Amino acid sequence: QLVESGGGLVKPGGSLRLSCAASGFTFLTYNMIWVRQAPGKGLEWVSFISSSSSHIYYADSVRGRFTISRDNAKNSLYLQMNSLRAEDTAVYFCGREDVVPAVFTPGEYSYYMDVWGKGTTVTVSS
Amino acid sequence: EIVLTQSPGTLSLSPGERATLSCRASQSVSSSYLVWYQQKPGQAPRLLIYGASNRATGIPDRFSGSGSGTDFTLTISRLEPEDFAVYYCQQYGTSPPYTFGQGTNLEIK
Repeated sequence: QLVESGGGLVKPGGSLRLSCAASGFTFLTYNMIWVRQAPGKGLEWVSFISSSSSHIYYADSVRGRFTISRDNAKNSLYLQMNSLRAEDTAVYFCGREDVVPAVFTPGEYSYYMDVWGKGTTVTVSS
Repeated sequence: EIVLTQSPGTLSLSPGERATLSCRASQSVSSSYLVWYQQKPGQAPRLLIYGASNRATGIPDRFSGSGSGTDFTLTISRLEPEDFAVYYCQQYGTSPPYTFGQGTNLEIK
């Protein structure tokens, strides 16, 4: 299970820190992802962090403003969001990434997000 | 960045009918890296298909995925009332961002 928290109303230029609490699985063995969904819009991949935090990636739209991190001792994932803009208004979901050997292509792996939180809402408005 | 284009944007069908949803990539994607999700209003997305054609745990066999290269398809053989939702494809290419398509809204006719 994944449970997000930390959303709320913030003014443009402000900051928020989202948290995602994991339970029911061995958190430290999984890569984790943040995905967001603006009101009435589709899904947007935001950021990725590997299980040991050794690999971190961001969407161009948030790079330099958002920072993903995790605390495996606390089974928690975080997203520090700075310099927030109106276009960052969205429901933010955290998700667990699983990986399995590809069925039809030896040597490749299939990746997917198999566990999702219910999301936390971030509204950026003056 | 790989762009995924889903069609149609909206598909209106009746229960019992067959649904065919398309996902086209701007460049070739290994079928190992193509994923489909279902999302209902107010809910998180739910994993349906990974590796283009492998059903996730608990997904009914009326859902099937196919395709390769730049063209992928999600087929629902006989629509049940609970299948009306928005469907997204996602690609896990060789490097991020791991983009989503814009979604297909499957609505009751």
